[in-house]
Amino acid sequence: GQNIDQPTEMTATEGAIVQINCTYQTSGFNGLFWYQQHAGEAPTFLSYNVLDGLEEKGRFSSFLSRSKGYSYLLLKELQMKDSASYLCAVTPNYGGSQGNLIFGKGTKLSVKP
Amino acid sequence: DADVTQTPRNRITKTGKRIMLECSQTKGHDRMYWYRQDPGLGLRLIYYSFDVKDINKGEISDGYSVSRQAQAKFSLSLESAIPNQTALYFCATSASANYGYTFGSGTRLTVV
Repeated sequence: GQNIDQPTEMTATEGAIVQINCTYQTSGFNGLFWYQQHAGEAPTFLSYNVLDGLEEKGRFSSFLSRSKGYSYLLLKELQMKDSASYLCAVTPNYGGSQGNLIFGKGTKLSVKP
Repeated sequence: DADVTQTPRNRITKTGKRIMLECSQTKGHDRMYWYRQDPGLGLRLIYYSFDVKDINKGEISDGYSVSRQAQAKFSLSLESAIPNQTALYFCATSASANYGYTFGSGTRLTVV
């Protein structure tokens, strides 16, 4: 079966650091994506991890442990505009549906002044 | 112009009506998808297509149909709309498994 878990909501303070966790159990695994989605808007790509380790991209970093089925998104120097939902998505690697992303339900992050 | 264009952006329709949501893309991708998003349920796959002659059901295809008119166009139809189809609908395209998706801006559909 397929299962992706992430916290429903998180709150953090402007200027702080926040870590959003994602655990997954899927039939096969190709890679893991993080998307950002502001309310009522389309998801936009943040990061893609295939190998274990940390990928850093400006204020955002993403970590993957394939053996543990675990990823996190780290947001540094939080800004008010970072208030959004963050979606974890996994690409399984099986059969004809290879390439179809399976999404977690998203984590709604609220950044407070 | 946007890479992935969805029309309409907003639509209110009555129960029992047929409605079509349209999606076109300029990315040149073969793969296209339709998702719906509901509060607390995340993005759920309705249908997907890997090329013009390939149409596949997703996890929640009941009550929906699709048409892949060309590589660039993928439309979603609700044959007889019902209130629990009220949701935000997204079209997406992808080049391959490792390139993620590009999403359209979404269609907010309300069935009354």
